[in-house]
Amino acid sequence: DSGVTQTPKHLITATGQRVTLRCSPRSGDLSVYWYQQSLDQGLQFLIQYYNGEERAKGNILERFSAQQFPDLHSELNLSSLELGDSALYFCASSPQSRDSTYEQYFGPGTRLTVT
Amino acid sequence: AQKITQTQPGMFVQEKEAVTLDCTYDTSDPSYGLFWYKQPSSGEMIFLIYQGSYDQQNATEGRYSLNFQKARKSANLVISASQLGDSAMYFCAMRGINDYKLSFGAGTTVTVRA
Repeated sequence: DSGVTQTPKHLITATGQRVTLRCSPRSGDLSVYWYQQSLDQGLQFLIQYYNGEERAKGNILERFSAQQFPDLHSELNLSSLELGDSALYFCASSPQSRDSTYEQYFGPGTRLTVT
Repeated sequence: AQKITQTQPGMFVQEKEAVTLDCTYDTSDPSYGLFWYKQPSSGEMIFLIYQGSYDQQNATEGRYSLNFQKARKSANLVISASQLGDSAMYFCAMRGINDYKLSFGAGTTVTVRA
């Protein structure tokens, strides 16, 4: 158990809908990262928050947004869903924002299926 | 930008044998970290081992060791005494000193045979 929690574990929804994925980082970790894993794109970084502030953006679509709350949990919002958004979405956490010596601990993931 | 290459899409290994998973990388960062993660069929990503670019010794964690050759830009993972539970996808990743994110390779699927 990495200490990172994600809910829900599975999500099935229809095209055009909006969903919210939730993540709680490990105790003491200030950074939260969101990654998307799909068969064709592999593991792609989406966005990072550190102590409530956005720090880095990766290949995140404009239909997607995220935030980190004062209690450090984070939510990833996906809207106007398309079939291609079906993927495994991971949240990861680490103590620092930008330190190459720190590993990131991953949550169990949310498997999103868009039908 | 970082680039990670894992050229072995799949490998078979006999139980109790050792297996080496290849990983090469490319970066212009003077300092960086290299990581290996395991993803079993259940889907979670499990951190295995870390190697810093300035570490003089190769990292080891139990049955996992990282064969780090800086000049060749390679960071191969060695799993000794393979067990059936080692069957999974393995990802090599790196993070540069100026990076926020991890960059991942395509992964290698390992299947351990009894």
